[in-house]
Amino acid sequence: GQNIDQPTEMTATEGAIVQINCTYQTSGFNGLFWYQQHAGEAPTFLSYNVLDGLEEKGRFSSFLSRSKGYSYLLLKELQMKDSASYLCADRSYNTDKLIFGTGTRLQVFP
Amino acid sequence: EPEVTQTPSHQVTQMGQEVILRCVPISNHLYFYWYRQILGQKVEFLVSFYNNEISEKSEIFDDQFSVERPDGSNFTLKIRSTKLEDSAMYFCASSVWSQGDIQYFGAGTRLSVL
Repeated sequence: GQNIDQPTEMTATEGAIVQINCTYQTSGFNGLFWYQQHAGEAPTFLSYNVLDGLEEKGRFSSFLSRSKGYSYLLLKELQMKDSASYLCADRSYNTDKLIFGTGTRLQVFP
Repeated sequence: EPEVTQTPSHQVTQMGQEVILRCVPISNHLYFYWYRQILGQKVEFLVSFYNNEISEKSEIFDDQFSVERPDGSNFTLKIRSTKLEDSAMYFCASSVWSQGDIQYFGAGTRLSVL
């Protein structure tokens, strides 16, 4: 998978819901990851989708459509600490490497 | 909770010098990785390592780079002769298995080449 596309920046209000979209090339696809990265810190694993559908984990959910080469990360009940970059990454068959998008910088305002 | 640890957190070096970045992966993990992130850019894969061998490397990982697992716990990235464009955040990651498994990242080493 190459050419991961995701929006560069998004803003939202505390308590709201935000959806961060990601598209990728479908050939050889073998899994889609979402990581959170606060400025100057390590990427922290959020979710992994390999089958179509929605994976829910607390306030965060991730969706995958393999036929469309599309995923989104849904963040509910936003908190100020959710202000961070959200990195979409995919992996292809027969490779260990993750291919990252540029990340979406989310700013949560009070 | 187990974590990947990296040292130092910040390394400043002169162009042409050798640097060694150190990582201690999570103890039961078998696959190790190095990625880098130039300021304001994407996280990029450099190399993966399993069973004391490089399993995959990117075009960035040229002859100036090498990796080693000198003992049972450390995993190192060496840059033989640093260039200005090597300035970046270098992240180590590890996973239990390879494909289909989660890669856990360390906090990174910021390398500044002057």
